[in-house]
Amino acid sequence: DIQMTQSPSTLSASVGDRVTITCRASQSINWWLAWYQQKPGKAPKLLIYKASSLESGVPSRFSGSVSGTEFTLTISSLQPDDFATYYCQQYNTYSRTFGGGTKVEV
Amino acid sequence: EVQLVESGGGLVQPGGSLRLSCAASAFTFSSYWMSWVRQAPGKGLEWVANINLDGSAKYYGDSVKGRFTISRDNAKNSVFLQMNSLRAEDTAVYYCARDWSGNDRTFDYWGQGTLVTVSS
Repeated sequence: DIQMTQSPSTLSASVGDRVTITCRASQSINWWLAWYQQKPGKAPKLLIYKASSLESGVPSRFSGSVSGTEFTLTISSLQPDDFATYYCQQYNTYSRTFGGGTKVEV
Repeated sequence: EVQLVESGGGLVQPGGSLRLSCAASAFTFSSYWMSWVRQAPGKGLEWVANINLDGSAKYYGDSVKGRFTISRDNAKNSVFLQMNSLRAEDTAVYYCARDWSGNDRTFDYWGQGTLVTVSS
């Protein structure tokens, strides 16, 4: 099974900061990686698919990139609404896998 | 507007069974793989199972293999999760999600979740 290692698990940041979250796959997943944002008590929301494609309606301050098996979610200028938990997920195989999550807090 | 509405959660004793349902609307249900994802209290997301377009292929996470069964009824635009031999560690909010239709996007719509509590 493909393992997804996400880091850091917690990130302290301030409004206006540039934030970077990393997800490493245990083997090649090509570009089949998605990023989600989840707020307490709510279902996750798709932000990025196929490593770098921005989901419709998602602010352009969110971006995704890839280098080999390392994937990165970047928030260019953190906004108050962005304090949440972020998850990566691979969908290269039919059995999907999520990363452990990164909580972005003040 | 695309909607996914889960039902069937509740309190069940260890060793018991429960069947979750997810009713879909406003999209061509038979064109999408569907998944169940769970989240234990205070924990991260865990993929549980998915099913292909006609129900002929099903995949499961290791922690539920042999105990849970996913199925779908395309005529009723619904996907189900039969959960048997439930354990305390199965306690979680269970979400259904629209998985994949063969294009680049995935898990683009989620239900609101249904809580399953396994406790004596």
